[in-house]
Amino acid sequence: NAGVTQTPKFRVLKTGQSMTLLCAQDMNHEYMYWYRQDPGMGLRLIHYSVGEGTTAKGEVPDGYNVSRLKKQNFLLGLESAAPSQTSVYFCASSDPAPRNQPQHFGDGTRLSIL
Amino acid sequence: ILNVEQSPQSLHVQEGDSTNFTCSFPSSNFYALHWYRWETAKSPEALFVMTLNGDEKKKGRISATLNTKEGYSYLYIKGSQPEDSATYLCASGNQAGTALIFGKGTTLSVSS
Repeated sequence: NAGVTQTPKFRVLKTGQSMTLLCAQDMNHEYMYWYRQDPGMGLRLIHYSVGEGTTAKGEVPDGYNVSRLKKQNFLLGLESAAPSQTSVYFCASSDPAPRNQPQHFGDGTRLSIL
Repeated sequence: ILNVEQSPQSLHVQEGDSTNFTCSFPSSNFYALHWYRWETAKSPEALFVMTLNGDEKKKGRISATLNTKEGYSYLYIKGSQPEDSATYLCASGNQAGTALIFGKGTTLSVSS
Protein backbone atom coordinates (compact mmCIF):
# COMPACT_ATOMS: atom_id res chain seq x y z
CA ASN A 1 0.00 0.00 0.00
CA ALA A 2 2.36 2.73 -1.28
CA GLY A 3 0.20 5.87 -0.87
CA VAL A 4 2.35 8.89 -1.68
CA THR A 5 5.92 8.22 -2.76
CA GLN A 6 8.58 10.86 -3.07
CA THR A 7 11.90 10.47 -4.87
CA PRO A 8 14.67 11.09 -4.09
CA LYS A 9 14.71 11.02 -0.28
CA PHE A 10 17.92 13.02 0.00
CA ARG A 11 19.90 15.19 -2.39
CA VAL A 12 22.75 17.63 -2.22
CA LEU A 13 23.07 20.22 -4.96
CA LYS A 14 25.44 23.01 -5.78
CA THR A 15 24.12 26.52 -6.26
CA GLY A 16 22.87 26.97 -9.80
CA GLN A 17 22.19 23.30 -10.47
CA SER A 18 18.76 22.12 -11.48
CA MET A 19 16.78 19.13 -10.37
CA THR A 20 13.31 17.65 -10.31
CA LEU A 21 11.55 16.10 -7.35
CA LEU A 22 9.00 13.44 -8.17
CA CYS A 23 5.80 12.74 -6.28
CA ALA A 24 3.67 9.73 -7.19
CA GLN A 25 0.36 8.69 -5.62
CA ASP A 26 -1.62 5.51 -6.18
CA MET A 27 -4.90 6.60 -4.56
CA ASN A 28 -6.39 8.20 -7.68
CA HIS A 29 -6.50 11.57 -5.92
CA GLU A 30 -7.36 14.64 -7.98
CA TYR A 31 -5.50 17.15 -5.82
CA MET A 32 -1.76 17.19 -5.21
CA TYR A 33 0.43 19.64 -3.30
CA TRP A 34 4.05 20.54 -2.73
CA TYR A 35 5.11 22.02 0.63
CA ARG A 36 8.40 23.02 2.12
CA GLN A 37 9.19 22.71 5.81
CA ASP A 38 11.74 24.95 7.43
CA PRO A 39 12.62 25.26 11.13
CA GLY A 40 10.16 27.52 12.92
CA MET A 41 8.10 28.04 9.76
CA GLY A 42 5.77 25.05 9.67
CA LEU A 43 4.59 23.74 6.31
CA ARG A 44 4.34 26.30 3.53
CA LEU A 45 2.54 25.60 0.27
CA ILE A 46 4.68 26.01 -2.85
CA HIS A 47 2.36 24.93 -5.67
CA TYR A 48 -0.66 22.73 -5.97
CA SER A 49 -2.74 21.02 -8.64
CA VAL A 50 -6.47 20.32 -8.76
CA GLY A 51 -6.23 17.94 -11.67
CA GLU A 52 -4.17 16.59 -14.53
CA GLY A 53 -2.78 19.43 -16.62
CA THR A 54 -3.55 22.16 -14.05
CA THR A 55 -1.31 23.88 -11.52
CA ALA A 56 -1.59 26.89 -9.24
CA LYS A 57 0.74 28.96 -7.05
CA GLY A 58 0.77 28.62 -3.33
CA GLU A 59 2.27 30.78 -0.63
CA VAL A 60 5.95 30.53 -1.67
CA PRO A 61 6.13 29.69 -5.41
CA ASP A 62 9.16 31.75 -6.45
CA GLY A 63 12.10 29.73 -7.76
CA TYR A 64 10.00 26.62 -8.37
CA ASN A 65 8.04 25.20 -11.29
CA VAL A 66 5.65 22.27 -11.33
CA SER A 67 3.98 19.99 -13.83
CA ARG A 68 1.09 17.54 -13.62
CA LEU A 69 1.18 15.70 -16.93
CA LYS A 70 -0.26 12.53 -15.42
CA LYS A 71 -2.86 12.36 -12.69
CA GLN A 72 -0.70 10.21 -10.45
CA ASN A 73 2.46 12.33 -10.72
CA PHE A 74 3.32 15.84 -9.58
CA LEU A 75 6.80 17.13 -10.37
CA LEU A 76 8.57 19.97 -8.58
CA GLY A 77 11.45 21.59 -10.43
CA LEU A 78 14.23 23.85 -9.31
CA GLU A 79 15.74 25.49 -12.39
CA SER A 80 18.65 27.17 -10.64
CA ALA A 81 19.00 26.03 -7.06
CA ALA A 82 19.80 28.60 -4.38
CA PRO A 83 20.92 28.04 -0.76
CA SER A 84 17.59 29.52 0.39
CA GLN A 85 15.90 26.48 -1.12
CA THR A 86 17.61 24.16 1.35
CA SER A 87 14.62 22.57 3.03
CA VAL A 88 12.58 19.43 3.51
CA TYR A 89 9.98 19.09 0.78
CA PHE A 90 6.71 17.25 1.31
CA CYS A 91 4.24 16.17 -1.29
CA ALA A 92 0.62 15.46 -0.43
CA SER A 93 -2.54 14.37 -2.20
CA SER A 94 -6.23 14.41 -1.37
CA ASP A 95 -9.63 13.34 -2.64
CA PRO A 96 -11.71 15.68 -4.82
CA ALA A 97 -13.62 16.90 -1.78
CA PRO A 98 -10.87 18.44 0.30
CA ARG A 99 -13.39 20.01 2.59
CA ASN A 100 -14.10 16.60 4.08
CA GLN A 101 -10.98 14.67 3.25
CA PRO A 102 -7.52 14.88 4.80
CA GLN A 103 -4.32 15.23 2.87
CA HIS A 104 -2.02 12.21 2.61
CA PHE A 105 1.67 13.00 2.83
CA GLY A 106 4.81 11.43 1.44
CA ASP A 107 7.87 10.84 3.59
CA GLY A 108 9.65 13.97 2.42
CA THR A 109 12.75 14.88 0.42
CA ARG A 110 15.63 16.48 2.27
CA LEU A 111 17.39 18.88 -0.10
CA SER A 112 20.61 20.73 0.67
CA ILE A 113 21.94 23.45 -1.59
CA LEU A 114 25.61 24.28 -1.10
CA ILE B 1 -3.25 34.55 2.72
CA LEU B 2 -4.77 32.99 5.83
CA ASN B 3 -2.90 33.30 9.09
CA VAL B 4 -3.21 30.21 11.25
CA GLU B 5 -1.78 30.47 14.75
CA GLN B 6 -1.11 27.66 17.20
CA SER B 7 -0.34 27.84 20.89
CA PRO B 8 1.61 26.94 22.82
CA GLN B 9 4.62 26.45 20.57
CA SER B 10 5.83 23.59 22.74
CA LEU B 11 4.63 21.73 25.80
CA HIS B 12 6.14 19.23 28.19
CA VAL B 13 3.87 17.08 30.36
CA GLN B 14 4.15 14.01 32.54
CA GLU B 15 2.65 10.66 31.60
CA GLY B 16 -0.99 10.60 32.62
CA ASP B 17 -1.50 14.36 32.38
CA SER B 18 -4.26 15.69 30.19
CA THR B 19 -3.46 18.61 27.94
CA ASN B 20 -4.90 20.80 25.22
CA PHE B 21 -3.67 23.01 22.40
CA THR B 22 -5.26 25.91 20.56
CA CYS B 23 -5.49 26.69 16.87
CA SER B 24 -6.86 30.05 15.77
CA PHE B 25 -7.78 30.97 12.23
CA PRO B 26 -9.67 33.72 10.39
CA SER B 27 -13.38 33.08 10.85
CA SER B 28 -14.32 34.70 7.55
CA ASN B 29 -14.42 32.45 4.49
CA PHE B 30 -13.93 29.37 6.63
CA TYR B 31 -13.97 26.11 4.71
CA ALA B 32 -12.34 23.33 6.75
CA LEU B 33 -10.06 22.77 9.73
CA HIS B 34 -7.57 19.91 9.76
CA TRP B 35 -5.48 18.45 12.60
CA TYR B 36 -2.38 16.38 11.86
CA ARG B 37 0.03 14.46 14.06
CA TRP B 38 3.65 14.63 12.98
CA GLU B 39 6.26 12.38 14.56
CA THR B 40 9.94 13.09 14.10
CA ALA B 41 11.38 11.59 10.88
CA LYS B 42 7.92 10.65 9.66
CA SER B 43 5.28 12.35 7.55
CA PRO B 44 2.21 14.15 8.95
CA GLU B 45 -0.78 11.89 9.58
CA ALA B 46 -4.33 13.15 9.62
CA LEU B 47 -6.21 13.15 12.91
CA PHE B 48 -9.38 15.07 12.15
CA VAL B 49 -11.08 17.16 9.50
CA MET B 50 -13.86 19.40 10.75
CA THR B 51 -16.13 21.60 8.69
CA LEU B 52 -19.15 22.62 10.78
CA ASN B 53 -19.36 25.02 13.68
CA GLY B 54 -19.65 23.01 16.87
CA ASP B 55 -18.08 19.89 15.37
CA GLU B 56 -16.51 17.55 17.87
CA LYS B 57 -14.33 14.64 16.80
CA LYS B 58 -12.74 11.89 18.88
CA LYS B 59 -10.15 9.23 18.20
CA GLY B 60 -9.19 7.23 21.28
CA ARG B 61 -7.77 9.62 23.87
CA ILE B 62 -7.57 12.52 21.42
CA SER B 63 -10.48 14.81 20.68
CA ALA B 64 -11.03 18.15 18.96
CA THR B 65 -13.64 20.89 18.90
CA LEU B 66 -14.36 23.61 16.38
CA ASN B 67 -15.77 27.13 16.70
CA THR B 68 -15.95 28.70 13.26
CA LYS B 69 -17.72 31.87 14.45
CA GLU B 70 -14.86 32.92 16.70
CA GLY B 71 -12.16 31.15 14.69
CA TYR B 72 -10.62 28.60 17.02
CA SER B 73 -10.22 24.87 17.50
CA TYR B 74 -9.00 22.95 20.52
CA LEU B 75 -7.19 19.61 20.50
CA TYR B 76 -7.38 17.62 23.73
CA ILE B 77 -5.28 14.66 24.79
CA LYS B 78 -6.53 12.75 27.81
CA GLY B 79 -4.04 10.81 29.90
CA SER B 80 -0.96 11.60 27.80
CA GLN B 81 1.41 8.73 27.00
CA PRO B 82 5.04 8.91 25.80
CA GLU B 83 3.90 7.73 22.36
CA ASP B 84 1.81 10.91 22.09
CA SER B 85 5.04 12.89 21.80
CA ALA B 86 4.89 14.60 18.42
CA THR B 87 4.19 17.91 16.73
CA TYR B 88 0.50 18.61 16.26
CA LEU B 89 -0.35 20.72 13.23
CA CYS B 90 -3.57 22.45 12.43
CA ALA B 91 -4.45 23.79 9.01
CA SER B 92 -7.32 25.85 7.70
CA GLY B 93 -8.77 25.67 4.21
CA ASN B 94 -9.72 28.81 2.30
CA GLN B 95 -12.94 29.53 0.50
CA ALA B 96 -11.76 27.80 -2.67
CA GLY B 97 -11.34 24.61 -0.72
CA THR B 98 -8.26 23.57 -2.55
CA ALA B 99 -5.34 24.70 -0.41
CA LEU B 100 -4.54 24.48 3.28
CA ILE B 101 -2.59 27.01 5.32
CA PHE B 102 -0.74 25.33 8.16
CA GLY B 103 0.09 26.69 11.57
CA LYS B 104 3.61 26.24 12.89
CA GLY B 105 2.54 23.42 15.19
CA THR B 106 2.60 22.58 18.88
CA THR B 107 5.35 20.19 19.90
CA LEU B 108 4.32 17.91 22.74
CA SER B 109 6.81 15.98 24.82
CA VAL B 110 5.49 13.40 27.30
CA SER B 111 7.82 12.05 29.97
CA SER B 112 7.29 8.68 31.62
